[in-house]
Amino acid sequence: IAGITQAPTSQILAAGRRMTLRCTQDMRHNAMYWYRQDLGLGLRLIHYSNTAGTTGKGEVPDGYSVSRANTDDFPLTLASAVPSQTSVYFCASSDTFGANVLTFGAGSRLTVL
Amino acid sequence: GENVEQHPSTLSVQEGDSAVIKCTYSDSASNYFPWYKQELGKGPQLIIDIRSNVGEKKDQRIAVTLNKTAKHFSLHITETQPEDSAVYFCAASKGGTYKYIFGTGTRLKVLA
Repeated sequence: IAGITQAPTSQILAAGRRMTLRCTQDMRHNAMYWYRQDLGLGLRLIHYSNTAGTTGKGEVPDGYSVSRANTDDFPLTLASAVPSQTSVYFCASSDTFGANVLTFGAGSRLTVL
Repeated sequence: GENVEQHPSTLSVQEGDSAVIKCTYSDSASNYFPWYKQELGKGPQLIIDIRSNVGEKKDQRIAVTLNKTAKHFSLHITETQPEDSAVYFCAASKGGTYKYIFGTGTRLKVLA
């Protein structure tokens, strides 16, 4: 089934540790996104990528980095995790930028202690 | 800045009744308005969307209406069923930009 695969599903992490959340899509979408979802705050954009080789900062990029080496993969890295990064993280993709259907992954629940 | 306000934050209806969720957007250049349904422990899934050149769109029990002048759009669910219980998000976007501005969500409970 075409879609987005995220890993891990859930992770508990000690503060200060490095963590990479993986995201792979098989729809050949050009644009990919990382959102975090927190209660009462909705979905907030962390980073995005318009096409392989290009990335950009979203609304809440501090403490996170991304890379887009190819069309399918868009990993999100927390270099040194802090408790405020406890959240549910969703990867998404769309055929092109803006005004197009966003397809979401199932999410990665991260707890930083 | 750009924002989308969504109301109500929670909504309880009896099975078979209708449910209406409303959103207001600030950026008049927005031209794409999707609605997402998120079930517990899952990612948001698109249920219906509308573009700015259309005033209304229906898909079985679900409809979306758009009032560009007032910058309002609404989700209407008729003949609600228990499986409609979920959190619903509206969003606004425009072509050529990475921004999808999401509402804060409405938790819909359909009581059997």
